[in-house]
Amino acid sequence: SQKIEQNSEALNIQEGKTATLTCNYTNYSPAYLQWYRQDPGRGPVFLLLIRENEKEKRKERLKVTFDTTLKQSLFHITASQPADSATYLCALQYSSASKIIFGSGTRLSIRP
Amino acid sequence: EAQVTQNPRYLITVTGKKLTVTCSQNMNHEYMSWYRQDPGLGLRQIYYSMNVEVTDKGDVPEGYKVSRKEKRNFPLILESPSPNQTSLYFCASSFHRDSRNTEAFFGQGTRLTVV
Repeated sequence: SQKIEQNSEALNIQEGKTATLTCNYTNYSPAYLQWYRQDPGRGPVFLLLIRENEKEKRKERLKVTFDTTLKQSLFHITASQPADSATYLCALQYSSASKIIFGSGTRLSIRP
Repeated sequence: EAQVTQNPRYLITVTGKKLTVTCSQNMNHEYMSWYRQDPGLGLRQIYYSMNVEVTDKGDVPEGYKVSRKEKRNFPLILESPSPNQTSLYFCASSFHRDSRNTEAFFGQGTRLTVV
């Protein structure tokens, strides 16, 4: 069955630096790869979606890349701020009609 | 406002007492799903539904039931709750035939404690 691995459970970086989170998957590549943000006790909130035929997607300070050869997606937050501290979840979907599979998340802490 | 609404937000119950957690969405989404989230285990899917009257088991369906009689509602039923079902539960919905727009919208969560 499909397995999703997100790099470390926790990542601590200095404010102003770029945070880079990794999502690796096994087996065949999904049609869509999504990233969500989750704050403690709250539901995940959608951030970005990238399709298998796209290499990169940007939204303000966020950037996502998708490498189907490496079976990996990278999620970058540039000029990080303490308010970016949260858990970030990667999710895969094999078609628009299939279920969404979530990774276990990476807890990001940005220290002032 | 587009949203997924779960009720109740918090629930403490006793072992064996049947309960239902409701979920409703106002976005005309075909796909709805229930997850539980436990420390260190991430989001685990319990059941999902691709459309009305179509439901399927997720990764951890034991001890749960669902129904999808209307497009907007997807209740989660625990017929005989046990302490190992103490968890944070999330309902989610999304479009599933629109390839432009498949992101999931989540409810606020239901924190269930079974004693």
